[in-house]
Amino acid sequence: GQNIDQPTEMTATEGAIVQINCTYQTSGFNGLFWYQQHAGEAPTFLSYNVLDGLEEKGRFSSFLSRSKGYSYLLLKELQMKDSASYLCAVRDHDNAGKSTFGDGTTLTVKP
Amino acid sequence: GAVVSQHPSWVICKSGTSVKIECRSLDFQATTMFWYRQFPKQSLMLMATSNEGSKATYEQGVEKDKFLINHASLTLSTLTVTSAHPEDSSFYICSAATSGSSYEQYFGPGTRLTVT
Repeated sequence: GQNIDQPTEMTATEGAIVQINCTYQTSGFNGLFWYQQHAGEAPTFLSYNVLDGLEEKGRFSSFLSRSKGYSYLLLKELQMKDSASYLCAVRDHDNAGKSTFGDGTTLTVKP
Repeated sequence: GAVVSQHPSWVICKSGTSVKIECRSLDFQATTMFWYRQFPKQSLMLMATSNEGSKATYEQGVEKDKFLINHASLTLSTLTVTSAHPEDSSFYICSAATSGSSYEQYFGPGTRLTVT
């Protein structure tokens, strides 16, 4: 099975940097996803890490350490529209593409 | 590209009736589709994995006779909530994935079901 932990809520200021952590204990691992979800909407893909290290994509970066079962999502130059829930998901080791989602971190960006 | 649609976007039905939700991949062929349920302020709970032409694989605790899934083509999967009850009221989201090395799930916009 999969156990995924991430903070429930975070608050940050517009223009700042925020790091959202995710730790996992899994029976199998085939990659870790980060998704953004605004209230009442479906999740949208942000990043995918399968190897250790940092993946940078514009204002968003994602880091993975497989040995530590740890990932973080880094958001820079925060904007008000970044207020959303951020979901960490671990893909199972099989090839069906099945993923288990964490409970999500609700980020509130304040002016 | 990689657009997934769901229909309807919201539905209100009476207790005891059945509701069908469609999930379509508009510009790609989805060998696998996933159905999730999300209650307010909670994360996505995987209900079942649907592969084209075969029976769906249900997660533990999900009643397959209540949540009927059909994946008749590479672009369409349907979820039918049978004999709906108020506790089935939720946000139902589908996602689609292609075969091979593709790693990304493409999510539909979700369907808000309210059972009165």
